[in-house]
Amino acid sequence: KNQVEQSPQSLIILEGKNCTLQCNYTVSPFSNLRWYKQDTGRGPVSLTIMTFSENTKSNGRYTATLDADTKQSSLHITASQLSDSASYICVVREDGNNRLAFGKGNQVVVIP
Amino acid sequence: EAGVAQSPRYKIIEKRQSVAFWCNPISGHATLYWYQQILGQGPKLLIQFQNNGVVDDSQLPKDRFSAERLKGVDSTLKIQPAKLEDSAVYLCASSSWTDLSSYNEQFFGPGTRLTVL
Repeated sequence: KNQVEQSPQSLIILEGKNCTLQCNYTVSPFSNLRWYKQDTGRGPVSLTIMTFSENTKSNGRYTATLDADTKQSSLHITASQLSDSASYICVVREDGNNRLAFGKGNQVVVIP
Repeated sequence: EAGVAQSPRYKIIEKRQSVAFWCNPISGHATLYWYQQILGQGPKLLIQFQNNGVVDDSQLPKDRFSAERLKGVDSTLKIQPAKLEDSAVYLCASSSWTDLSSYNEQFFGPGTRLTVL
């Protein structure tokens, strides 16, 4: 069964600090990987997408990395802000169909 | 561009009652999805429509859940009768197969939070 595992499940960080979220997956064949940000009470919003040949993708203070060989991805948040408090969900698309595998999310809380 | 609209935003019902959720996808998006997101979990696909046809409903509990997209635009998801374990957020998403540059990104609505007592 294709799975996506995220760690840590939750973390609390001080405003202005950096943090890194991890995503390991077993989806095969691989098509692409997205990181979504889900604010409380809202639907997920795509932050980045990476395909097999891409190693790094940035979106403002968010930088995602992908190692397709080890099937690992990370999302790095730089100089965190209070508005970064959210759940970050790693989503992997299986190649050849429209099926997505969702992680459970990393719950990030940024405190002043 | 307007996003995916869902209503109601919140619903509280007693077990064994019925409930229906409504979704209006982004204009022009042929593909529509319903997801169930239990607290602390990632979304789980319930059903996927391509226009008004069902593409994947393998994880839809068909004994109590039903969904339709009669004219290929709006969609409704119904639960009858509801159980305690149906308490979750129900997310609707849509995507455009014709926009290859977006890698078929799914755009999500705000969700409907269902509480079954």
